[in-house]
Amino acid sequence: KAGVTQTPRYLIKTRGQQVTLSCSPISGHRSVSWYQQTPGQGLQFLFEYFSETQRNKGNFPGRFSGRQFSNSRSEMNVSTLELGDSALYLCASSLGQGGNEQFFGPGTRLTVL
Amino acid sequence: AQKITQTQPGMFVQEKEAVTLDCTYDTSDPSYGLFWYKQPSSGEMIFLIYQGSYDQQNATEGRYSLNFQKARKSANLVISASQLGDSAMYFCAMRSPPTSYDKVIFGPGTSLSVIP
Repeated sequence: KAGVTQTPRYLIKTRGQQVTLSCSPISGHRSVSWYQQTPGQGLQFLFEYFSETQRNKGNFPGRFSGRQFSNSRSEMNVSTLELGDSALYLCASSLGQGGNEQFFGPGTRLTVL
Repeated sequence: AQKITQTQPGMFVQEKEAVTLDCTYDTSDPSYGLFWYKQPSSGEMIFLIYQGSYDQQNATEGRYSLNFQKARKSANLVISASQLGDSAMYFCAMRSPPTSYDKVIFGPGTSLSVIP
């Protein structure tokens, strides 16, 4: 069974631009969660999607948004990029909403110049 | 406020020895879940083990066990028979309630190095 895939793996953008990250969960998993990891703030939860609906949201500004498609694939969008958005963005999938065992993808490393 | 503390920024262990990674937490919620994740240098987070606040027994998963002391609010991870592949960052996390991601918080992590 294929694992969680994230594309692209690396991304370089400049301030003010927007970016879209993609996550494909494990086949059959319906919950997708996104996390941001930075050296300063550590790991922080962004949001969770289940059955195409955002179920939970972390404490991030509205510039961070996402969506989930009917095949459970999810995208995360960050608009008006700031230098502080440089981070490793991790996606995780689980069978159900709030599942204990999450499977993480390799992450997308975003650098904002 | 909820908080996770991992007091060991870095640790070394000899191959085949056991090692304990410390985690203390603070919450006023009666229902919560505690998690441990491993993050190798490749960046991918790997779920290791879960302990619910109402679970009577300590969780075990292969070489991983969680030493859960509720009164002390500690959830230490014990890795038995360390292997070179165990070298990684280890994160303790808490979700309260256990099924809610928006209340999840992570500790700062402990870097474990296994010495041959």
